[in-house]
Amino acid sequence: RKEVEQDPGPFNVPEGATVAFNCTYSNSASQSFFWYRQDCRKEPKLLMSVYSSGNEDGRFTAQLNRASQYISLLIRDSKLSDSATYLCVVTPRSNFGNEKLTFGTGTRLTIIP
Amino acid sequence: DAGVIQSPRHEVTEMGQEVTLRCKPISGHDYLFWYRQTMMRGLELLIYFNNNVPIDDSGMPEDRFSAKMPNASFSTLKIQPSEPRDSAVYFCASSPTSGTVTDTQYFGPGTRLTVL
Repeated sequence: RKEVEQDPGPFNVPEGATVAFNCTYSNSASQSFFWYRQDCRKEPKLLMSVYSSGNEDGRFTAQLNRASQYISLLIRDSKLSDSATYLCVVTPRSNFGNEKLTFGTGTRLTIIP
Repeated sequence: DAGVIQSPRHEVTEMGQEVTLRCKPISGHDYLFWYRQTMMRGLELLIYFNNNVPIDDSGMPEDRFSAKMPNASFSTLKIQPSEPRDSAVYFCASSPTSGTVTDTQYFGPGTRLTVL
């Protein structure tokens, strides 16, 4: 079983719609969670961290469910510029401030005009 | 402010040749990471450094791969000899030391390697 699993998609969604992705992780000791975004032929960039209580950043909402070991990303009022691949990322946490990240293979989203 | 710089951006080589990829992290960042991305396997961590010291190289596929960080502003990833299955995009990323959960890794633009 992969450490981080995502539905690869593609998700083809009309502009203005709401879309949600889920991601599951296998290591129950994982402590930090993130969503990264990767545009075609570009590098990954941090979209948002995922906190235990859930968090929102504009049109984006991230949720964490530790009991079921999954995280989710919700995009409301989708824009054409949201078209990208969304990477789910988890990491164990040690006493150091940074640790290696484990990436999912990504979910590809295309917003249709 | 300059981000992570990688060179070359594209590399096409023949099987058996030596390939050297270069990375300059963001100034002041203590961590440097090398990743490989393919369609089949996604983004995989190869090795990472803290203060120029290799911390975890368990992701390095085999002895043909080696990485060095001679100083805080430069790192190399070398493949010798290269094989067609090494064809991928290689990313370098850097990160500052932080105790918060909002640590961010900043990725370079990547080197697209094709081994014929």
